[in-house]
Amino acid sequence: TQLLEQSPQFLSIQEGENLTVYCNSSSVFSSLQWYRQEPGEGPVLLVTVVTGGEVKKLKRLTFQFGDARKDSSLHITAAQPGDTGLYLCAGVWGYQKVTFGIGTKLQVIP
Amino acid sequence: NAGVTQTPKFQVLKTGQSMTLQCAQDMNHNSMYWYRQDPGMGLRLIYYSASEGTTDKGEVPNGYNVSRLNKREFSLRLESAAPSQTSVYFCASSEPGTDDTQYFGPGTRLTVL
Repeated sequence: TQLLEQSPQFLSIQEGENLTVYCNSSSVFSSLQWYRQEPGEGPVLLVTVVTGGEVKKLKRLTFQFGDARKDSSLHITAAQPGDTGLYLCAGVWGYQKVTFGIGTKLQVIP
Repeated sequence: NAGVTQTPKFQVLKTGQSMTLQCAQDMNHNSMYWYRQDPGMGLRLIYYSASEGTTDKGEVPNGYNVSRLNKREFSLRLESAAPSQTSVYFCASSEPGTDDTQYFGPGTRLTVL
């Protein structure tokens, strides 16, 4: 089983601030996914990055896959209360093999 | 199109009782999964089914059994519940060969007393 370390585990910030969440491993992944989970619901996919060095933007969210495909980051610009939730990274490392990080619980205070 | 549905949403059991968690998907996906989610542990794979008629153990299979009843349905059974199985259980489905997206159900919150 591949391991994914996600940091920080908890983040409480004021509305309008920027933040970055990190996902690191010593293993290489074929792709890296980011999910968002709201209380009482299952995770929902935000983005998949496939190519080393790839950067994808989703409105105020920027996702980056490391050059060596071992790490990824999620940057949120000008966080809004609606961004509050649990952010999970997931590394795909084989046929139907996915490892999830522990998650980052984000609270954005109005 | 309901996606992935799970029943029940909440359940309280006494130690030693048994129960089955039900999961169904209407996206015609071949692969289905059962995860448990615990604070500080993240999502851990219990069992998965790559296709109808096949099941395989994941990271934490002890104390659980599964049945892939047909392409739509994948159930998780606890034969003799233990307090360590108190958790939130998620079912997911995906279609191999596409983009590896997993579609999750809303979860079942299980408490074992």
